[in-house]
Amino acid sequence: QSVLTQPPSVSGAPGQTVIISCTGSSSNIGARFDVHWYQQYPGTAPKVVISSNNNRPSGVPDRFSGSKSGTSASLAISGLQAEDEAVYYCQSYDKSLGGHVVFGGGTKVTVL
Amino acid sequence: QLQLQESGSGLVRPSQTLSLTCTVSGGSISADGNSWTWLRQPPGKGLEWIGYIFHSGNTFYNPSLKNRVTISVDRSGNQFSLNVTSVTAADTAVYYCGRYRGNYGYFDYWGQGALVTVSS
Repeated sequence: QSVLTQPPSVSGAPGQTVIISCTGSSSNIGARFDVHWYQQYPGTAPKVVISSNNNRPSGVPDRFSGSKSGTSASLAISGLQAEDEAVYYCQSYDKSLGGHVVFGGGTKVTVL
Repeated sequence: QLQLQESGSGLVRPSQTLSLTCTVSGGSISADGNSWTWLRQPPGKGLEWIGYIFHSGNTFYNPSLKNRVTISVDRSGNQFSLNVTSVTAADTAVYYCGRYRGNYGYFDYWGQGALVTVSS
């Protein structure tokens, strides 16, 4: 059971927009800790696509955007492309139990 | 460009100790602000943070693993290491080393991952 909750899967046609939610609590996202998002293709290491809620690292297409409000965060992928089909994880920090890094369970994005 | 590479035993017997090393190239492990981390991913499952070691040498571990995990740094070798004691089948996973950015931050560089299987 992950500390951060994500939907197992979302799907969209090419060109559409998909949104992945990440729901936390008052001890992590609600405590104003930043949320970061990773993209992972099968058999490869994750890669950060959004850092600190809404920052895109160099090389990440501007189709990727992030937002945060209250105890939740979202990753939006607009103009969906076949190459966006991957698993996406959100990550934050939780102040309970002395403090630790927490992840969502991952969301599989399928491009129809 | 910073690169990280995991190495170590791919097969560990139950109750034994899992040991992995991450070699950093393209940058100094001792550079100010750098912190180093281990994460893992059981087959077909999600990501789990194991722990990190800050530039200061302070270490922080996942509470669920804290009693079995040690992360250390070998600055002369530009490497850092992970030991997990008393392993069980539940410790079977792909283990990733990485760099951790900032306080309450994120992981910006990752190794390619090393599969460790716990089996007799």
